[in-house]
Amino acid sequence: DIQMTQSPASLSASLGETVTIECRASEDIYNGLAWYQQKPGKSPQLLIYNANSLHTGVPSRFSGSGSGTQYSLKINSLQSEDVASYFCQQYYNYPPTFGGGTKLELK
Amino acid sequence: EVQLVESGGGLVQPGRSMKLSCAASGFTFNNYDMAWVCQAPKKGLEWVATISYDGSSTYYRDSVKGRFTISRDNAKSTLYLQMDSLRSEDTATYYCARHYYDGTYYYFDYWGQGVMVTVSS
Repeated sequence: DIQMTQSPASLSASLGETVTIECRASEDIYNGLAWYQQKPGKSPQLLIYNANSLHTGVPSRFSGSGSGTQYSLKINSLQSEDVASYFCQQYYNYPPTFGGGTKLELK
Repeated sequence: EVQLVESGGGLVQPGRSMKLSCAASGFTFNNYDMAWVCQAPKKGLEWVATISYDGSSTYYRDSVKGRFTISRDNAKSTLYLQMDSLRSEDTATYYCARHYYDGTYYYFDYWGQGVMVTVSS
């Protein structure tokens, strides 16, 4: 199975700040990567697919980048509603596997 | 609007069975593969199983092979997960998700609200 390693595990940032979350795959996943946001007590919601494509309805302050084994999610101008956990997931190979998550809080 | 509504969770004893359902609406159900993904309390996400749009193919994570069965009824737009020989480590919230294919890759584009399964004596 492809291992997905996310960093940091937790993050504290101020409103308006830019935040970056990293995800490393144990092998090349050829941009087969998604990012999900999970607010407390809610289900995950797709933000980014194919490493850098924004899902329908997702604010443009979210963006994804990367290639090979290294990917990142950037949130520009952090808003209060962005407080959540964020997960990366590879779907290049079965089984699909997720990163351990990053919990984002407001400073 | 895509909606996925799970039901059937609760408390069950180790070794017993439970069946989850997921009612889909807002899209043509029989055009899409569907999946179950679980999340143990305070833990990360784990894919459990996927079924093809017509039910002809199924895929499972190793830890549930032979114990869980994913199925679907396209006439009712409903996805199922039959869980047998349940273990304490199966305790989790189970999410139904649409497994969308964009021509190259599959990814989970819509998720249900989840249903909690607790395996305990």
